[in-house]
Amino acid sequence: AQSVTQLDSQVPVFEEAPVELRCNYSSSVSVYLFWYVQYPNQGLQLLLKYLSGSTLVKGINGFEAEFNKSQTSFHLRKPSVHISDTAEYFCAVSDGGGGGNKLTFGTGTQLKVEL
Amino acid sequence: DADVTQTPRNRITKTGKRIMLECSQTKGHDRMYWYRQDPGLGLQLIYYSFDVKDINKGEISDGYSVSRQAQAKFSLSLESAIPNQTALYFCATSTSGGDHEQFFGPGTRLTVL
Repeated sequence: AQSVTQLDSQVPVFEEAPVELRCNYSSSVSVYLFWYVQYPNQGLQLLLKYLSGSTLVKGINGFEAEFNKSQTSFHLRKPSVHISDTAEYFCAVSDGGGGGNKLTFGTGTQLKVEL
Repeated sequence: DADVTQTPRNRITKTGKRIMLECSQTKGHDRMYWYRQDPGLGLQLIYYSFDVKDINKGEISDGYSVSRQAQAKFSLSLESAIPNQTALYFCATSTSGGDHEQFFGPGTRLTVL
């Protein structure tokens, strides 16, 4: 079975500061990894995904994430955040093999950007 | 127009009532999913369907049932709603091949009194 741990439930940060949202996963097989963002009163929107290849993945809105197989991590980063980045962020893992397209989600990290 | 739509967007009901939440998609995807979101718990999978005749239970299916009326429609029912089913419900879709990315609807906020 696969699982995802997002250690930080809330991350406050000042505007224009860098931010890192942490995600660790466990899986016995190769995985696909995703970060989704949920703005207030909206559904989930894909930020970026890792399938294979380069371990540094770039997404929308200036976000990027690095896949680290040895540490089973997929941390999300942004060098300079904006007020509009205030949202909840979810890390998710999918079995890259024959388990179907089911995603297992972490519990989410609330990013609050302050002036 | 949105690719994945959910109706209703908000619903308040009473304990014991039967409730149906509907999901429609225009993406042409064959796979559809229902999740519930509770604060601090992330998203939990209720049911998923890989095609019209293939429906599977997720992590938390007790108290819920689903119907896949067509490739584009997937409904979630609460046969007898209870207060701890108060949550935000999301429908999602994906293709059978590809990279497992799921596309989400805007959600239905359900309150059971």
